[in-house]
Amino acid sequence: AQSVAQPEDQVNVAEGNPLTVKCTYSVSGNPYLFWYVQYPNRGLQFLLKYITGDNLVKGSYGFEAEFNKSQTSFHLKKPSALVSDSALYFCAVSAPRMEYGNKLVFGAGTILRVKS
Amino acid sequence: NAGVTQTPKFRILKIGQSMTLQCTQDMNHNYMYWYRQDPGMGLKLIYYSVGAGITDKGEVPNGYNVSRSTTEDFPLRLELAAPSQTSVYFCASSYPLDPRISSTDTQYFGPGTRLTVL
Repeated sequence: AQSVAQPEDQVNVAEGNPLTVKCTYSVSGNPYLFWYVQYPNRGLQFLLKYITGDNLVKGSYGFEAEFNKSQTSFHLKKPSALVSDSALYFCAVSAPRMEYGNKLVFGAGTILRVKS
Repeated sequence: NAGVTQTPKFRILKIGQSMTLQCTQDMNHNYMYWYRQDPGMGLKLIYYSVGAGITDKGEVPNGYNVSRSTTEDFPLRLELAAPSQTSVYFCASSYPLDPRISSTDTQYFGPGTRLTVL
């Protein structure tokens, strides 16, 4: 069965420091990997995705993520955190011939807190 | 474009009551989805639709029903509300650039409906 693990419930970082939000996955076949962000009382917003090609994917708001097939990871990174980056971050995976259409399987989410 | 809109934003139901959560998208997306979000659990797929007149069950469909009479609308029906259905419900849509690999599509989410069943 497909699954996503976000091992940290919360990540704390000081403004201006680099941030990493971790994600590992388990899926049969080639994975398609996504990061979404959720601000308080809002829906999820798409940040970036990896489908194929370059392992380093750049997305919205200066975020990037690196696909590592051997470690089955897709960690989200940003070189310099902003207070406004504080939110709930979800990693999700899908794959060809997934159950339930093009179902996204979501991780439990990681709260990012950036302190000034 | 308004994107994906959901109504109501909040609702409190009594056990056994019924209600319909509304979802509309104006992006002409074929695919639409309903998820529920529980604390610490991520999002779970309830139902999805690949086009008008076509719906199918997701991971947690029990206690819910859906219909898709138009491309734009995908209402979610709760017939007999139970406390276990207390959750935040999100509707999403996507456009399959290639239906053979629709699992690569980006999903666009509505703002959510917070439902409490007492």
